[in-house]
Amino acid sequence: DVKVTQSSRYLVKRTGEKVFLECVQDMDHENMFWYRQDPGLGLRLIYFSYDVKMKEKGDIPEGYSVSREKKERFSLILESASTNQTSMYLCASSPHRQGSEAFFGQGTRLTVV
Amino acid sequence: GESVGLHLPTLSVQEGDNSIINCAYSNSASDYFIWYKQESGKGPQFIIDIRSNMDKRQGQRVTVLLNKTVKHLSLQIAATQPGDSAVYFCAENAGGTSYGKLTFGQGTILTVHP
Repeated sequence: DVKVTQSSRYLVKRTGEKVFLECVQDMDHENMFWYRQDPGLGLRLIYFSYDVKMKEKGDIPEGYSVSREKKERFSLILESASTNQTSMYLCASSPHRQGSEAFFGQGTRLTVV
Repeated sequence: GESVGLHLPTLSVQEGDNSIINCAYSNSASDYFIWYKQESGKGPQFIIDIRSNMDKRQGQRVTVLLNKTVKHLSLQIAATQPGDSAVYFCAENAGGTSYGKLTFGQGTILTVHP
């Protein structure tokens, strides 16, 4: 089975802190994604990556950056956390081909106080 | 000031009934569609997918229908069970070079009453 593992289930951080959310997948997938999920808004794409050291902005990249130094790991970085970044963050991976489902991690519930 | 949240569509059914969840998608170039189920405290899980060259696909107790003319997708769940209670999302892939990049709908809450 594909496994996508996010490093934390719950995080509480202070405003202004630099926050790292880590994600690892074990299926050698080329694609990795970070989504944010808020009530009533579905999943919104923050950033994605098709390959190591490659990244592209999604729909809501402001206030975030990412790092992909190894194929299996994709990190989301909040440079200076703000209260409006309190949310559920979901990491996903998929093969780089047409018609591919994405496999999701269990999510990280981040609260910024 | 007071914030007004968006409310998800909801569907309540009795155990054993059939459920139909609908989704309108936006991009006429989308060529691949997926339904995901998300239970409380978990990430979304794949249910069934369909490509744009099909209009119907069946799985175990689930059927997805695609109407490209009106850009509409539906998920039918037969003999709904309490374990089917969850939020259901449709997702579309725009095709071309956007391999794997999915755009999600807002979701529908399904509640199954015993």
